Amino acid sequence: AQSVAQPEDQVNVAEGNPLTVKCTYSVSGNPYLFWYVQYPNRGLQFLLKYITGDNLVKGSYGFEAEFNKSQTSFHLKKPSALVSDSALYFCAVRDDRGSTLGRLYFGRGTQLTVWP
Amino acid sequence: DSGVTQTPKHLITATGQRVTLRCSPRSGDLSVYWYQQSLDQGLQFLIQYYNGEERAKGNILERFSAQQFPDLHSELNLSSLELGDSALYFCASSVSPGPSYEQYFGPGTRLTVT
Repeated sequence: AQSVAQPEDQVNVAEGNPLTVKCTYSVSGNPYLFWYVQYPNRGLQFLLKYITGDNLVKGSYGFEAEFNKSQTSFHLKKPSALVSDSALYFCAVRDDRGSTLGRLYFGRGTQLTVWP
Repeated sequence: DSGVTQTPKHLITATGQRVTLRCSPRSGDLSVYWYQQSLDQGLQFLIQYYNGEERAKGNILERFSAQQFPDLHSELNLSSLELGDSALYFCASSVSPGPSYEQYFGPGTRLTVT
């Protein structure tokens, strides 16, 4: 069965420090992985995706993510956090097989707080 | 701004009532998705349409139905509403239903059932 796990409900980091938001996944076919960010009272904004190829994917606002097939992980990273990065982050996966082809499976979300 | 629009932004209604949520996808996008976000269930996929046809179904209750019209806008109908239906309902769209295409989300409709 397809699923996504975000093991940390909350991540706190000081401004200027590197940040990592963790994500692991499970799919039956080839994974298509996505990160989204949600600010309060707003919709989800697409940050980046992994389809195939280079395991390090670069996205919006200086974020990047590393795909690790053996560990079935897709961790979100940023070298230097900003206070404005504080938000709720969702990892999601899509499968390329069968009747579940269309749907995104989301993790529970990780609340990132960057303090000044 | 993602280019996906949803109306209304907020909806307050009573149990047993019926409501319709509306979504307009980004220009050029043929695929529309509906999601429900609640504190206890998280983000749950409800249903997907592609060019007017139902493409995939998720955790959508029988009291809920949706459709995509020829102009590609979509409506989600929720009937016999219960307190537990209170949630944020998102519409998303993508240019193609294929798994490699990212979905762009609207701002959501917050439904409160009293």
